[in-house]
Amino acid sequence: RKEVEQDPGPFNVPEGATVAFNCTYSNSASQSFFWYRQDCRKEPKLLMSVYSSGNEDGRFTAQLNRASQYISLLIRDSKLSDSATYLCVVFNAGNNRKLIWGLGTSLAVNP
Amino acid sequence: NAGVTQTPKFQVLKTGQSMTLQCAQDMNHNSMYWYRQDPGMGLRLIYYSASEGTTDKGEVPNGYNVSRLNKREFSLRLESAAPSQTSVYFCASSEADTTLAGGQFFGPGTRLTVL
Repeated sequence: RKEVEQDPGPFNVPEGATVAFNCTYSNSASQSFFWYRQDCRKEPKLLMSVYSSGNEDGRFTAQLNRASQYISLLIRDSKLSDSATYLCVVFNAGNNRKLIWGLGTSLAVNP
Repeated sequence: NAGVTQTPKFQVLKTGQSMTLQCAQDMNHNSMYWYRQDPGMGLRLIYYSASEGTTDKGEVPNGYNVSRLNKREFSLRLESAAPSQTSVYFCASSEADTTLAGGQFFGPGTRLTVL
């Protein structure tokens, strides 16, 4: 099993739709979680940190489910500009420090 | 405030040539990182520097060396380039490596081709 797994997609949705991505992780001791977005041929950019209580930033909501070891990203009212690849990142601090990047989920929002 | 800058943006090398990729950040971050990104492989950490004066190996350090020149600058050197090092290289920085709270901020990348 991969340490971080994402459905590669692509997810094709119309403008205004709600879309959700999940990311599963294998290490139950993982401590920090993030969602990044990456546009084609550009650098990754931090979208949100994911907190245990869940967090929201405008149209974006991130959730963490430790029991089932997954994080989710919900995008409401999709815009054309949301088209990108969404990367899930899991961080284990301490002596066995490790930062693991998922391969990403591709989203295309269509007019 | 430029964030993280990288030079060069593109580079073509022949097998066996050497080069240094430069990275600088102006956010007063303590930690800096070098990644490579290849199709189907995702981002892989080459080296990182948790704080000025320290460097540590990441997941794929072979064939690379790094220098944390000061708090702002972190360079990556390929001593003898190989075709397997053809990739997109990203530099990143963060406030602290212990928690990565606040996330990492990336430079625009260097596209390297080794013939």
